[in-house]
Amino acid sequence: DTEVTQTPKHLVMGMTNKKSLKCEQHMGHRAMYWYKQKAKKPPELMFVYSYEKLSINESVPSRFSPECPNSSLLNLHLHALQPEDSALYLCASSQVEGSYEQYFGPGTRLTVT
Amino acid sequence: RKEVEQDPGPFNVPEGATVAFNCTYSNSASQSFFWYRQDCRKEPKLLMSVYSSGNEDGRFTAQLNRASQYISLLIRDSKLSDSATYLCVVNLASGGSYIPTFGRGTSLIVHP
Repeated sequence: DTEVTQTPKHLVMGMTNKKSLKCEQHMGHRAMYWYKQKAKKPPELMFVYSYEKLSINESVPSRFSPECPNSSLLNLHLHALQPEDSALYLCASSQVEGSYEQYFGPGTRLTVT
Repeated sequence: RKEVEQDPGPFNVPEGATVAFNCTYSNSASQSFFWYRQDCRKEPKLLMSVYSSGNEDGRFTAQLNRASQYISLLIRDSKLSDSATYLCVVNLASGGSYIPTFGRGTSLIVHP
């Protein structure tokens, strides 16, 4: 089973709202990732968690706050977003960080109004 | 210069054609190379990992040339269902870590 699940599938939020994106995998993977993808662009790495610790933060604005409650779950907390943050947010996991292939969830399509 | 470069295409080919894509990367210390396929409004799906010795999976062949710092993907006997964007991913060496970095993707359109 190579399934990564993400909820919600779609999210519309105002600039003053607080919301969270959720990601789950049950493959025993110890690395999990958040990406942002705009239309006709490749995914851009935001955060990497390795063994539940934040390993890489690609200079993401603080209005995006990741959290890894356990080895299977990854959250992305959103607060005071801007319309330009509207995008597809993809979660991925891999066996460990650095060497192995990643498996992606279906993404959350976020619209900020 | 982008760290991982791909020709965006589109490559427009007839069914049954053979098509090849290349992807160049900037850091010779990089490890782990992959090809993903992404359909419109869907997530990237792993197509194949790329090994130093080259690897083949059915109609798909991937190769790595470390000396020239590029990876390639060859698709033989193209099918209509192969139409998609093909993304290369390189784990670029950066400050003791390896950062998974995507190329911009190559669009393939297979027509009847």
